[in-house]
Amino acid sequence: DTEVTQTPKHLVMGMTNKKSLKCEQHMGHRAMYWYKQKAKKPPELMFVYSYEKLSINESVPSRFSPECPNSSLLNLHLHALQPEDSALYLCASSHAQGQGNSPLHFGNGTRLTVT
Amino acid sequence: GENVEQHPSTLSVQEGDSAVIKCTYSDSASNYFPWYKQELGKRPQLIIDIRSNVGEKKDQRIAVTLNKTAKHFSLHITETQPEDSAVYFCAAPRSDSTLTFGKGTMLLVSP
Repeated sequence: DTEVTQTPKHLVMGMTNKKSLKCEQHMGHRAMYWYKQKAKKPPELMFVYSYEKLSINESVPSRFSPECPNSSLLNLHLHALQPEDSALYLCASSHAQGQGNSPLHFGNGTRLTVT
Repeated sequence: GENVEQHPSTLSVQEGDSAVIKCTYSDSASNYFPWYKQELGKRPQLIIDIRSNVGEKKDQRIAVTLNKTAKHFSLHITETQPEDSAVYFCAAPRSDSTLTFGKGTMLLVSP
């Protein structure tokens, strides 16, 4: 069982669609992350929220828009994506960013295909 | 920023053999080194981590060693089993406390 829950598991969308990825954790973690992972590559950091505030944006294109409604939820809004954005999108959480480097807990990911 | 090099990129062993994966890092201030295992189609999962105040940590068949002077750390898996087959990622912290991952090692354990 994973303690970080992501929905949907799979998503196929056209380049003109708007969709959202959702992530939820109930471990009391105060840092939440979005990662993008291409096949046979390591996870690549996109965004970090710390105490519900955006603390890091790794120069991600504006067609990806993160949102943290509360300490347990993290969303990633998608609009006008490109086929090269097809990837596994992983949500993760940790106790807090910068707090003694606590371990990352990953969700199972959303497999996104942009057609 | 932190730079993490991981070797080898692929590793094939026979069941029962040992496997060793090595990583080097660049930032001497780094103090936390986790290892993640990612099975095909699944999420990365933390299998072991080490902090810079110790040189070795063991958990059953898995161990991690750290050489701060040389700035490298290694994952050791003994008595490998087919279910150990996966991609393994090492990581080290950046100055903002997020993790930089190595490029990964695909471990294949043949029965």
